[in-house]
Amino acid sequence: NAGVTQTPKFQVLKTGQSMTLQCAQDMNHNSMYWYRQDPGMGLRLIYYSASEGTTDKGEVPNGYNVSRLNKREFSLRLESAAPSQTSVYFCASRLELNTGELFFGEGSRLTVL
Amino acid sequence: DAKTTQPPSMDCAEGRAANLPCNHSTISGNEYVYWYRQIHSQGPQYIIHGLKNNETNEMASLIITEDRKSSTLILPHATLRDTAVYYCIVRSSNTGNQFYFGTGTSLTVIP
Repeated sequence: NAGVTQTPKFQVLKTGQSMTLQCAQDMNHNSMYWYRQDPGMGLRLIYYSASEGTTDKGEVPNGYNVSRLNKREFSLRLESAAPSQTSVYFCASRLELNTGELFFGEGSRLTVL
Repeated sequence: DAKTTQPPSMDCAEGRAANLPCNHSTISGNEYVYWYRQIHSQGPQYIIHGLKNNETNEMASLIITEDRKSSTLILPHATLRDTAVYYCIVRSSNTGNQFYFGTGTSLTVIP
């Protein structure tokens, strides 16, 4: 039982390049989330998906797009990476939008040069 | 969601109880108190949550004051592996979508 799996774990990009962070959960959860964490700061919500087929903006959505591919998978895309997007990205899932605790992946460390 | 205030850092001797305070003076009646911790930049880990009553599980105890304006997370016998950043979060069961993590308390367990 892997829980929440994120790939890649590390990535270095040049300004303007694009990339997609992948997230998959095997807990049959309906809700999934993407957070970013900058040094010395707490986590900030980028986007979330309450259920398959729906996505909504969180606190800091600018510069990102998401896709809820199916119930298991929720991807985060940077279309044109900027140095300000250098961060650690965490994917999380939850049984329902209003139920249960968040389960987090191990994080994806992204550096934009 | 109610804002929380936590001390930025605390120390605790190994084997002693660690008591981590959290103020949430603007909490409303339907807002839960959640605690998570993050060990060395790993993904945050759920610890415990409560609404009004004190709660206990295998990891910790949560003490919520009668007026619900503050709470304390208690790790009964702290170990070196409990060194982490602890986040106190207050969120409503109605909003559903957002946990605001803040900057938390960095707990260092000292041998």
